Amino acid sequence: AQSVAQPEDQVNVAEGNPLTVKCTYSVSGNPYLFWYVQYPNRGLQFLLKYITGDNLVKGSYGFEAEFNKSQTSFHLKKPSALVSDSALYFCAVRDSSGGYQKVTFGTGTKLQVIP
Amino acid sequence: GAGVSQSPRYKVAKRGQDVALRCDPISGHVSLFWYQQALGQGPEFLTYFQNEAQLDKSGLPSDRFFAERPEGSVSTLKIQRTQQEDSAVYLCASSPRTGGATNEKLFFGSGTQLSVL
Repeated sequence: AQSVAQPEDQVNVAEGNPLTVKCTYSVSGNPYLFWYVQYPNRGLQFLLKYITGDNLVKGSYGFEAEFNKSQTSFHLKKPSALVSDSALYFCAVRDSSGGYQKVTFGTGTKLQVIP
Repeated sequence: GAGVSQSPRYKVAKRGQDVALRCDPISGHVSLFWYQQALGQGPEFLTYFQNEAQLDKSGLPSDRFFAERPEGSVSTLKIQRTQQEDSAVYLCASSPRTGGATNEKLFFGSGTQLSVL
């Protein structure tokens, strides 16, 4: 079985400061890892993904994430937070082995950027 | 269309009623997923279609839940004899390719918020 843990229900950061949203995963084989963002009353929007290759992946809106296999982590980061980054962030994983594999989401972390 | 469209946006049902939720995926997208998102939780997988074939329905919580995609495009999630615990946001997502290395981005609709009274 595959799973994702987002240990923080909420992260508060001052505007202009760096932000980190934590994610750890568990999967049998090699992971495909994702971050999605959800704004109020909206569906989830794709931010970035790790499939293979460089452990540091860059995505939309200046976000990046670092894949760490030994720590089974995929933390989301941004060098300088904006108030408009305030939203709900979901980490997700699927096993890369085989063909179709469903994507499993974490419970989400609410990011609050304080002006 | 421009994105994944779901209707209705909101649905209020009395306990015991049947409901049908519609999803219009992005044109040409092969894969279609249904997720259930309870308040304050992450999306939970319900079922997966590849074209018209339902390849995975392991997440459907009971036999009251039924999904179909008869022509490989529009999909309907039906819930029979709704219960209060069915109250949630139901999200539909589509993707252009089948499972594999290149199918790694889901496009989500805004969801249908179901409230069972």
